[in-house]
Amino acid sequence: DTGVSQNPRHKITKRGQNVTFRCDPISEHNRLYWYRQTLGQGPEFLTYFQNEAQLEKSRLLSDRFSAERPKGSFSTLEIQRTEQGDSAMYLCARKADGNSPLHFGNGTRLTVT
Amino acid sequence: QKEVEQDPGPLSVPEGAIVSLNCTYSNSAFQYFMWYRQYSRKGPELLMYTYSSGNKEDGRFTAQVDKSSKYISLFIRDSQPSDSATYLCAMSANTGNQFYFGTGTSLTVIP
Repeated sequence: DTGVSQNPRHKITKRGQNVTFRCDPISEHNRLYWYRQTLGQGPEFLTYFQNEAQLEKSRLLSDRFSAERPKGSFSTLEIQRTEQGDSAMYLCARKADGNSPLHFGNGTRLTVT
Repeated sequence: QKEVEQDPGPLSVPEGAIVSLNCTYSNSAFQYFMWYRQYSRKGPELLMYTYSSGNKEDGRFTAQVDKSSKYISLFIRDSQPSDSATYLCAMSANTGNQFYFGTGTSLTVIP
């Protein structure tokens, strides 16, 4: 158990639809990260939160993507008007303060048809 | 040039072999180095976390960092079929906010 729960595990949607993913980390780690991973590639950084503040966003995070972390606990990642290129595994990770590693959940696999 | 380079393989070895996995990087600011194991359709699982140069051993796994050459390695002794997975290297600078991943090396251990 990595202490990160992601739901749903798999989402199939039609192009143009909106989708929302949820990440629930254990409470004592106040940093939360979102990554995207496509087949045969390593995870790519999307954004991260310290508590409820979104501190950094990648240029990969177009205006169709929005992430929130209300109250500094769970986080959601929404993709509006999905495109086939959005098909990927979306990974959430928790991290303690200071120099410590990321601990990932099992991801949400998105398929856009 | 990518921040982190990793040979994607695939790598296929017989059970019991010693496996060597490697990554190179270009950013001399990287201080923290990680290896993750990822099974199909699962998230990456942290295997090793090291700081600066040197070796770290954990059971059958040994991580080596050579900062002068910008080269890191993961050795797996007495490899098992259950080690069959994709292995990702990752690294970060002192601030610890951004992590950079290799593309992963696919390993198959044949019984």
